[in-house]
Amino acid sequence: GDSVTQMEGPVTLSEEAFLTINCTYTATGYPSLFWYVQYPGEGLQLLLKATKADDKGSNKGFEATYRKETTSFHLEKGSVQVSDSAVYFCALSDPYNQGGKLIFGQGTELSVKP
Amino acid sequence: EAQVTQNPRYLITVTGKKLTVTCSQNMNHEYMSWYRQDPGLGLRQIYYSMNVEVTDKGDVPEGYKVSRKEKRNFPLILESPSPNQTSLYFCASSSLTGQIYGYTFGSGTRLTVV
Repeated sequence: GDSVTQMEGPVTLSEEAFLTINCTYTATGYPSLFWYVQYPGEGLQLLLKATKADDKGSNKGFEATYRKETTSFHLEKGSVQVSDSAVYFCALSDPYNQGGKLIFGQGTELSVKP
Repeated sequence: EAQVTQNPRYLITVTGKKLTVTCSQNMNHEYMSWYRQDPGLGLRQIYYSMNVEVTDKGDVPEGYKVSRKEKRNFPLILESPSPNQTSLYFCASSSLTGQIYGYTFGSGTRLTVV
């Protein structure tokens, strides 16, 4: 079945450092790809999305490009802030498979130090 | 404000004592779903509903029940909770295009079964 694999955390960075969180996926169809963020004590919020190959999702300085050839959707940010400390989840959803449910990676915890 | 509301936020209960976690959305979404979040496992789908009176099992349905009598509500029922159901639970909803545009999550219910 479809699956998502993320780089393991926790990831600890200094403020203004460059961030990359790797995400690769396996899917039989043509899924949409998402990054969700979970701040401490809160629910999940949609950070960005891409619905087809070569699309780039972006929001709040974060970016990710849907790469079909490498089945990847890596999250990047050029300069992280302390307020970016959270758990980040990569996810996919295939509307033509398994009812369109979200399939999540295991999450990557990011800690940004001042 | 468009939102998914879960109650309670925190719950400690004893093994075997039936409980219900409520979920309500005010966006007229057709699709609703329950997930549980466990360390190292990401989020796994428990049950989902495509519309009123239409429900189906997700990946980890054992020990849970759901109902969808009204479009806005999707309660999660644990008839006889056990310690392995100690987890963080999230309700999510979307329009039928949510597979492409994303889901809205509640703030979560942290359940402890002793």
